[in-house]
Amino acid sequence: GQQLNQSPQSMFIQEGEDVSMNCTSSSIFNTWLWYKQDPGEGPVLLIALYKAGELTSNGRLTAQFGITRKDSFLNISASIPSDVGIYFCAGRRSYNTDKLIFGTGTRLQVFP
Amino acid sequence: DTAVSQTPKYLVTQMGNDKSIKCEQNLGHDTMYWYKQDSKKFLKIMFSYNNKELIINETVPNRFSPKSPDKAHLNLHINSLELGDSAVYFCASSQDWSALSPLHFGNGTRLTVT
Repeated sequence: GQQLNQSPQSMFIQEGEDVSMNCTSSSIFNTWLWYKQDPGEGPVLLIALYKAGELTSNGRLTAQFGITRKDSFLNISASIPSDVGIYFCAGRRSYNTDKLIFGTGTRLQVFP
Repeated sequence: DTAVSQTPKYLVTQMGNDKSIKCEQNLGHDTMYWYKQDSKKFLKIMFSYNNKELIINETVPNRFSPKSPDKAHLNLHINSLELGDSAVYFCASSQDWSALSPLHFGNGTRLTVT
């Protein structure tokens, strides 16, 4: 079935570094969402994007809806230890009835 | 607290048994979902209900039967459990069925079938 590919699969960085990850699809998506999952918990919404080219920030996080509608990017600036977790992109292909498809996840590890 | 809550958090059972997972949301949302997360952390939708009506039923074995007694509850019953059913099951809800409504997830139920 349809899958969103995220890269990198995992990242090991030092506290204070900036992080970039992306999510790509072979087909057009009309909504992109970014979630973070901590161990033992459910995914929590970070940022929602609804328009091609849209750039939205949430604190140290910034996400962009790719202009081709086939990709999205998430940046984290000045990482801190609590940024550790798995980051998922998710998308919907239509504005109406369509399921939310999740990406393969990027596992982030931050070392002090 | 306003949230999506699911019970139990852990469920260990033997092959062949029947089990249920319950989910409740007090966010006033119209739409609820069940997702399965496998050992590689991949999240895949199983079912979605909008105002108690089934609107998505992915290719899930019919041993899995969702039930929505009202729009605040979506329970998942699983018959004749198999080893491959071991996973974390997440309930989620959204305001409505439109793409403008992000999903809010519960904390998951880790099912282990032995």
